[in-house]
Amino acid sequence: QVQLQQWGAGLLKPSETLSLTCAVYGGSFSDYYWSWIRQPPGKGLEWIGEILHTGSTTYNPSLKSRVTMSVDTSKKQFSLNLSSVTAADTAVYYCATLTYGDYDMVAFDIWGQGTMVTVSS
Amino acid sequence: DIQMTQSPSSLSASVGDRVTITCRASQTISSYLNWYQKKPGKAPKLLIYGASSLQRGVPSRFSGRGSGTDFTLTISSLQPEDFATYYCQQSYSSPWTFGQGTKVEIK
Repeated sequence: QVQLQQWGAGLLKPSETLSLTCAVYGGSFSDYYWSWIRQPPGKGLEWIGEILHTGSTTYNPSLKSRVTMSVDTSKKQFSLNLSSVTAADTAVYYCATLTYGDYDMVAFDIWGQGTMVTVSS
Repeated sequence: DIQMTQSPSSLSASVGDRVTITCRASQTISSYLNWYQKKPGKAPKLLIYGASSLQRGVPSRFSGRGSGTDFTLTISSLQPEDFATYYCQQSYSSPWTFGQGTKVEIK
């Protein structure tokens, strides 16, 4: 069973770069799309983007200009960088697996524990 | 982007009640609709995928229906641990998008 554990800086100043990493335990690193999702305080969930073990990425167009994702297959880790952050980027950030399965399954079925990132001067 | 609209935004119910939440997509998404439960301080939990398939380990009191643009999540008999916020999410086309959430509160 795959488990995800994430970490990264929790307090940033405006214009800095957010950096988070998610480690994958158990399962095959090549079986999933590795995703990042965020939830601002009091708001809903927003998909940020996803990356395959090959390094192929798909980003949400709303954040595409500031997002970079990468993988380290040797460590079974994937990372998120979000540049030029502002207060609007304050949120809980989650890593998650996007699993393609039977019966029209395309879903985020495994999640990291979440990291609260606050952007404040 | 496909817009997902949930109703109601919140509801109050009692333990044992039957609760139904609706999700509507801005265009057809076939059966590519998922439901998640979100509790404060916890990661979202997948309940239903493919509009009606129950995720492993999820109690059978949760059920999903629908296809095309209109979907429902039903909790047949609300339990104390079910008080949470529920989100629908379309997986028909990227960017994957979520509804705004439905908060289920204790009456």
